[in-house]
Amino acid sequence: DTAVSQTPKYLVTQMGNDKSIKCEQNLGHDTMYWYKQDSKKFLKIMFSYNNKELIINETVPNRFSPKSPDKAHLNLHINSLELGDSAVYFCASSQTPGDGDSPLHFGNGTRLTVT
Amino acid sequence: GQQLNQSPQSMFIQEGEDVSMNCTSSSIFNTWLWYKQDPGEGPVLLIALYKAGELTSNGRLTAQFGITRKDSFLNISASIPSDVGIYFCAGLTTDSWGKLQFGAGTQVVVTP
Repeated sequence: DTAVSQTPKYLVTQMGNDKSIKCEQNLGHDTMYWYKQDSKKFLKIMFSYNNKELIINETVPNRFSPKSPDKAHLNLHINSLELGDSAVYFCASSQTPGDGDSPLHFGNGTRLTVT
Repeated sequence: GQQLNQSPQSMFIQEGEDVSMNCTSSSIFNTWLWYKQDPGEGPVLLIALYKAGELTSNGRLTAQFGITRKDSFLNISASIPSDVGIYFCAGLTTDSWGKLQFGAGTQVVVTP
């Protein structure tokens, strides 16, 4: 009954490959997010979708393409992986607008290692 | 963009001691949030603050929203081993659609 589940938990791949990370939430939230945590543990938003529509798109290389088939799912596809893409990627969800009344619920992360 | 400065970066404390950490911002936030991240897991919300001057407790945790709306602090009293983890402050503005600005985190290590 995990609220926000993302798969896989670990992903090891070579430079140049294309990979996807999947995320699903069963909280009935209408907004989903992707955050990236770097090696220094700094968390930064990448994308946000509200009811399947993109509402936040930070300065992220266009090799990263989020896709939301419905409001319970937000997947992240990454093309032509680079060494610098190695990080932990967190999916999160909230009911708009994501403040303390409806805080972000995070998944347990996907640790991506690019070799 | 907004910068959140969180300090200290890490703390090594003995069980039973109190812990204090704070965050300051160059800009005003409407909401301050404190999250905890355990190893291998995602951040979990501890406390949310909505008004300047607000003081809120959650068990042994107490957090305050600064009067200027540019800072917040978190106290943990009588620490126990399970308090180990990384604590993050995060700020939110009303029009940010959940775009949290996170501090760099405070690593807390509790020794018996």
